Amino acid sequence: EVQLVVSGGGLVQPGGSLRLSCAASGFTFSTYSMNWVRQAPGKGLEWVSYINSISSAIYYADSVKGRFTISRDNDKNSLSLQMNSLRDEDTAVYYCARSHLGVVTAFDFWGQGALVTVSS
Amino acid sequence: QSVLTQPPSASGTPGQRVTISCSGSSSNIGSNTVNWYQQLPGTAPKLLIYSNNQRPSGVPDRFSGSKSGNSASLAISGLQSEDEADYYCTTWDDSLKGVVFGGGTKVTVL
Repeated sequence: EVQLVVSGGGLVQPGGSLRLSCAASGFTFSTYSMNWVRQAPGKGLEWVSYINSISSAIYYADSVKGRFTISRDNDKNSLSLQMNSLRDEDTAVYYCARSHLGVVTAFDFWGQGALVTVSS
Repeated sequence: QSVLTQPPSASGTPGQRVTISCSGSSSNIGSNTVNWYQQLPGTAPKLLIYSNNQRPSGVPDRFSGSKSGNSASLAISGLQSEDEADYYCTTWDDSLKGVVFGGGTKVTVL
């Protein structure tokens, strides 16, 4: 069974940092591209970042470019999102999502999400 | 303001057909395939349609997708109470070099 378990969420002050992790199991992690998607309270979905299977292609939404860093460890079946210089508007539930093998912009499995609250 | 435009709400009675539109531009829908997600209250999104009109395993054939030009649509036929959820369209945007989402459509079963 495919599982994506997100951890590391919490409360952080504006300007602070936080690191999210996504532990993958039930599939060959090293074969798949991965993503982070977020959802502010009561709002819609916003794609945050993409990383391909070998970390050679990485993309970010303009809203987080220069502040967030996506990475992965295929030996540990783990995806991470390092978030620096956090702002109030970064408050959201953050999901890790697996890209479909044939269509990388389609996310076929999602983790349960972790709430990140940026507030003083 | 979302790059892709969806109506904020749609509704129908059980058994009816509901259609949700998704409007974009030549840099996104016009040149890339469209995917759709269903998000039930309090849960993570679920892939409903990919590559414009393909259903993942387990998705009922009541759900169908189509694309024409810079627009796409999701149709739900034989509407059921469990279809009450938020629906999002998404695709790649060549100009932004990223995935873009519609603002979401809340479907209510009357």
